[in-house]
Amino acid sequence: GNSVTQMEGPVTLSEEAFLTINCTYTATGYPSLFWYVQYPGEGLQLLLKATKADDKGSNKGFEATYRKETTSFHLEKGSVQVSDSAVYFCALKNNQGGKLIFGQGTELSVKP
Amino acid sequence: ETGVTQSPTHLIKTRGQQVTLRCSSQSGHNTVSWYQQALGQGPQFIFQYYREEENGRGNFPPRFSGLQFPNYSSELNVNALELDDSALYLCASIPVGDTEAFFGQGTRLTVV
Repeated sequence: GNSVTQMEGPVTLSEEAFLTINCTYTATGYPSLFWYVQYPGEGLQLLLKATKADDKGSNKGFEATYRKETTSFHLEKGSVQVSDSAVYFCALKNNQGGKLIFGQGTELSVKP
Repeated sequence: ETGVTQSPTHLIKTRGQQVTLRCSSQSGHNTVSWYQQALGQGPQFIFQYYREEENGRGNFPPRFSGLQFPNYSSELNVNALELDDSALYLCASIPVGDTEAFFGQGTRLTVV
């Protein structure tokens, strides 16, 4: 079946450090891939997405590239800020309007 | 601000009781999905409604049921509450012809 696996957290970084959160997936066909962010006490916000192989999604300094050959969608940011502290979820969706399948989430804590 | 509003934000119920959670989505969003997010986990798909009909269901028992109304608002009903039903319940709506899901802030249900 379809599934998403993320690196385990928590991840603790100093401000301005480089961030990578690994995400790999298993899916039939050609899913769309997403990164969502959840701040404490809130719902999910879409951070970025990619709908086909080799697409790069980007937003607010975060980037992720859809790698079909390695079935990966790793999240990166060159310089994190304290305000980036949150839980990050990688997700896939197999067809338009279909259900989202989420990874278990990776908690990021950025220290000043 | 996603334009998706859930109520109530917090709720405490006793085991065996019934609960109704509500979601109001934006005009033009004709698909709504519900997810359960247990503490420290990723969201799990409960079911999805399209034009007032259920068109997808996850691995949840029949005591989880829902409705979607003509004005695109939605309800999630859970009967015979169990302690393991304690979770954050998220509603997500999808615009016509889009792949992006817009999430509400969630309802935190505690079953005691």
